[in-house]
Amino acid sequence: DVKVTQSSRYLVKRTGEKVFLECVQDMDHENMFWYRQDPGLGLRLIYFSYDVKMKEKGDIPEGYSVSREKKERFSLILESASTNQTSMYLCASKRGGLDEQFFGPGTRLTVL
Amino acid sequence: DQQVKQNSPSLSVQEGRISILNCDYTNSMFDYFLWYKKYPAEGPTFLISISSIKDKNEDGRFTVFLNKSAKHLSLHIVPSQPGDSAVYFCAATLSNGQNFVFGPGTRLSVLP
Repeated sequence: DVKVTQSSRYLVKRTGEKVFLECVQDMDHENMFWYRQDPGLGLRLIYFSYDVKMKEKGDIPEGYSVSREKKERFSLILESASTNQTSMYLCASKRGGLDEQFFGPGTRLTVL
Repeated sequence: DQQVKQNSPSLSVQEGRISILNCDYTNSMFDYFLWYKKYPAEGPTFLISISSIKDKNEDGRFTVFLNKSAKHLSLHIVPSQPGDSAVYFCAATLSNGQNFVFGPGTRLSVLP
């Protein structure tokens, strides 16, 4: 079974702090994704990566950056956290082509 | 402007009856559609998919119907079980399968 793990289930940070969210997958998937989930808005894509060191902006990249130095790891970085970044963050991975995404359990981030 | 819409935020169904969840999309270039189920405090899990060349796909109690001319798809669950209570997300992607667009979700409650 594919396993996608995220470094924290719950995180509380202060406004202005730098925040790192880590995601690791164990199935050698080429593609990895970061989403945020907010009530009434569903899952919105922040960034995705289709290969090591490659990244593409999603629908809402502002305020975020990503890093993919190794195939299995995809990090989401909030350079200076703000209260409107309080959300559930979900990482996913998939093979190439028309294949489903496999999601991690999510990190609920609260920015005070 | 949301490209994938799920106009019913919630749905309640009696155990044993049929659940019908609806999804509409605006981008006629979408080529592949998926349904995901999400329990609280867990990441979404893949349920069923359908290619644009088909109008129906069935997997056990779950059937997805696609009407391309209406840009509409639906998920039928029959018979519904209490364990089906979850949030259901509809997702769509282009033929390259690279970027999924998710709807806002429908919360299904199956009452015993």
